[in-house]
Amino acid sequence: DAGITQSPRHKVTETGTPVTLRCHQTENHRYMYWYRQDPGHGLRLIHYSYGVKDTDKGEVSDGYSVSRSKTEDFLLTLESATSSQTSVYFCAISEATGPEQYFGPGTRLTVT
Amino acid sequence: LAKTTQPISMDSYEGQEVNITCSHNNIATNDYITWYQQFPSQGPRFIIQGYKTKVTNEVASLFIPADRKSSTLSLPRVSLSDTAVYYCLVGTLRSNDYKLSFGAGTTVTVRA
Repeated sequence: DAGITQSPRHKVTETGTPVTLRCHQTENHRYMYWYRQDPGHGLRLIHYSYGVKDTDKGEVSDGYSVSRSKTEDFLLTLESATSSQTSVYFCAISEATGPEQYFGPGTRLTVT
Repeated sequence: LAKTTQPISMDSYEGQEVNITCSHNNIATNDYITWYQQFPSQGPRFIIQGYKTKVTNEVASLFIPADRKSSTLSLPRVSLSDTAVYYCLVGTLRSNDYKLSFGAGTTVTVRA
């Protein structure tokens, strides 16, 4: 399995609080992605990164920001969590652009 | 991104071959077809990718007809552990711009 870890694996937070999810890789892959998965919607891309400090928006980026200061870490921040952001968040990495991505174990976030 | 259509669910028994067909009528010339597998509480896992004709690996085979408007993922002799959601994706390899688009997928249930 690709060396991808996500932390925390589970989190419960209150509406309006800031939340940061971390994705860490040991593969030295250039590309990193954040997805959310909700029933009935499949996986949707939030943000992605194509290098250190190089990021771009995905399909559902509103309410989320990201940062990548090192190759191995990609952070997803919810500045002010809302109940609609309750979801399972997956980080993925890839060595090159293309369809073969490796996914982390996911973080289950509940916003009450 | 080309839209894909696949069955919502399929049932099978251990030892049988499972074939999942995906329709992608608007596939573009440069698009590749990719399949992912997702077990409960895990991130998706890349299974196979193809452009035309037939591709086979240790997990599955992918059949793509000449018009490329559909594709069929074939899982030989399934076991209980093949119970999962299978996603068909179609997209183009493009520098700095490859976004995976997951639909609802096909839930395959293998029974003893």
